[in-house]
Amino acid sequence: DIQMTQSPSSLSTSVGDRVTITCRASQSISSYLNWYQQKPGKAPNLLIYAANNLQSGVPSRFSGSGSGTDFTLTISSLQPEDFATYYCQQSYNTPYTFGQGTKLEIK
Amino acid sequence: QVHLVQSGAEVKQPGASVKVSCKASGYTFTTFYIFWVRQATGQGLEWMGWVNTNSGDTVYTQSFQGRVTITRDTSISTAYMELSSLRSEDTAVYYCARGFWGSQGWYFDYWGQGTLVTVST
Repeated sequence: DIQMTQSPSSLSTSVGDRVTITCRASQSISSYLNWYQQKPGKAPNLLIYAANNLQSGVPSRFSGSGSGTDFTLTISSLQPEDFATYYCQQSYNTPYTFGQGTKLEIK
Repeated sequence: QVHLVQSGAEVKQPGASVKVSCKASGYTFTTFYIFWVRQATGQGLEWMGWVNTNSGDTVYTQSFQGRVTITRDTSISTAYMELSSLRSEDTAVYYCARGFWGSQGWYFDYWGQGTLVTVST
């Protein structure tokens, strides 16, 4: 199975900050990488697909980059509604594994 | 408007089975796969498998092989996930999600609201 490792696991941040979350795959996955946001008690919500494509309806402050084994999710200016947990997921090989999550907390 | 609506919470005893439904609306059911993902309390997301809603073909992750069965009923646009031989570690929220096949793999663009399955004596 492909292991997905996110860093950091948690991050204390403030509104207006620029935030970068990284995701590393245990083998090359080309651009088969998606990012999801999850708020407590809610289902995950797709933010970025195929490494750098913004899902319809997602604010442009979210962006993704990377290919191969190293990927990043960037939030250019953190808004109050962005405090949540973020997961990366590879769809290169089954099982389509997720990272362990990165929780953004208010500083 | 695409919606995936799942069945309600379940409490089961160890060794029993549970069947969770996922009713789709707002699109042609057979044109998108349905995937199942689970999340134990306070934990991350675990992909379980998928059903090709057109053909009925399925793929399951190895860790659930033999215990999980994913099916669909096209007449009512509903997918099902049945998990057998339940144990306490299966206590989790189970999600269905619509799979979209893009140029760089699958992504899950719509999700059900989740179904809490509690395994307890």
